[in-house]
Formats: sequence, structure tokens, C-alpha cells
Amino acid sequence: QVQLQESGPGLVKPSETLSLTCTVSGHYIDSGYYWGWIRQPPGKGLEWIGSIYHSGSTYYNPSLKSRVTISVDTSKNQFSLKLSSVTAADTAVYYCARGGWDQRYYYYMDVWGKGTTVTVSS
Amino acid sequence: DIQLTQSPSFLSASVGDRVTITCRASQGITTYLAWYQQKPGKAPKLLIYAASTLQSGVPSRFSGSGSGTEFTLTISSLQPEDFATYYCQQLNSYPLTFGQGTRLEIK
Repeated sequence: QVQLQESGPGLVKPSETLSLTCTVSGHYIDSGYYWGWIRQPPGKGLEWIGSIYHSGSTYYNPSLKSRVTISVDTSKNQFSLKLSSVTAADTAVYYCARGGWDQRYYYYMDVWGKGTTVTVSS
Repeated sequence: DIQLTQSPSFLSASVGDRVTITCRASQGITTYLAWYQQKPGKAPKLLIYAASTLQSGVPSRFSGSGSGTEFTLTISSLQPEDFATYYCQQLNSYPLTFGQGTRLEIK
């Protein structure tokens, strides 16, 4: 059974870099699928941050693109998120998720981590 | 970016009711649409993808339909565990986007 678990600091100071890691268990991260980060500010909806494919290709939300980096560490079966120059507006629950597609190439995000709360405050 | 607009934003219903949530896309996305259920303090759960394909393990009272720019999620007979917030997501093109959510509460 595939499981994802986010980890990282729960408190980040303004202007610093938010760094989170998603550890994948029950599935080899390099064997297909894609991996993504999604966030949810308090009391608000879901916002896609970006995705990385097993090929290494990355896609980012244009609203965050200049500040975001997503990478994979296959040796640790993990993928990571870095968001630079954070402000209070980046306070949110951050989720990592696995994405896949069926034989018709219809995409979905089917396995999610439980989420981790990150607060930006001095 | 493709904008998704869900209606209604809030829905009050009773156990046993049939409810329908609509998701409209700002441009055509064929059937690259997914629906998720989220309960308070929990991660979203995939219910339906490709507009109408039920994810494994999801009860058959959930169904989805639509193509192009208009989509619906229907729950045929509400159960107590169905009261949650529902989101649509388009996976037709990057950036991926979500609707603003529909909160379904017990009447």
C-alpha cells in the first residue's frame, strides 16, 4: 500500500526558504507516476504548487514559479519542495500527492499525504 | 489558466437526498476532470477522474458526468459520511487548477 508522509519545519520566518520533504513508502518513486505538491491556506481551497515526473520534467504554478523548486531523491525515495522568500500568504497546510494516468491517458492524483502545517511568522 | 467555478458553494441536504454539484470550466477540457472529497483536518480523497470514472473503492452512489466545460458530481442517496467539502480539478493542461469547493452540510 502506497503511503506518503510530509516532513519539515512547522514555522518559517518571513523572507526565508520553506523546505519540505515527502517520503514515499510502498512504491518505488522512479517507477512511473508523477509527484506533486498542493497547499491549502487556512479556511480556503486547494492550490496546486507544482509537479515532477519520473523523467525529471517539472511543472510549476506560474503564480509561484519564480520561487519554487521541486526535486526527487531516488536514493531516499523522496521528493522535495523548496519555496523561497516566503511571506504570511504562504501559511498553509502543504500536501504531497502521487499522480497517475490510466491506459486512456486520463490523469488523476490518487494518493495524498496527511498534510503538514507551515506557518510563516517572525 | 483554466478557471473552474463550482456551484453551489454551500449546500444543505438530508440523509437520503440526491444532490448534484456543478463545475464549469472557463475553456474546454474534454473530460480531464477529477472530483475530490475533503473532510475537516483530512487530505482530499479522489472520487472520480476522467469526468465519470469511479476511483477504486468509492461507493457507487457517487457518479460524475459532463464534457467540455460543464461537469456534474451526483450523490444518489446521501449517507452521513458524505457530508464534506467537494472540489473539482482540471488535469487538461498546466497549471492544474481546482474549483473553489462546495461545502455539503446536514440539514
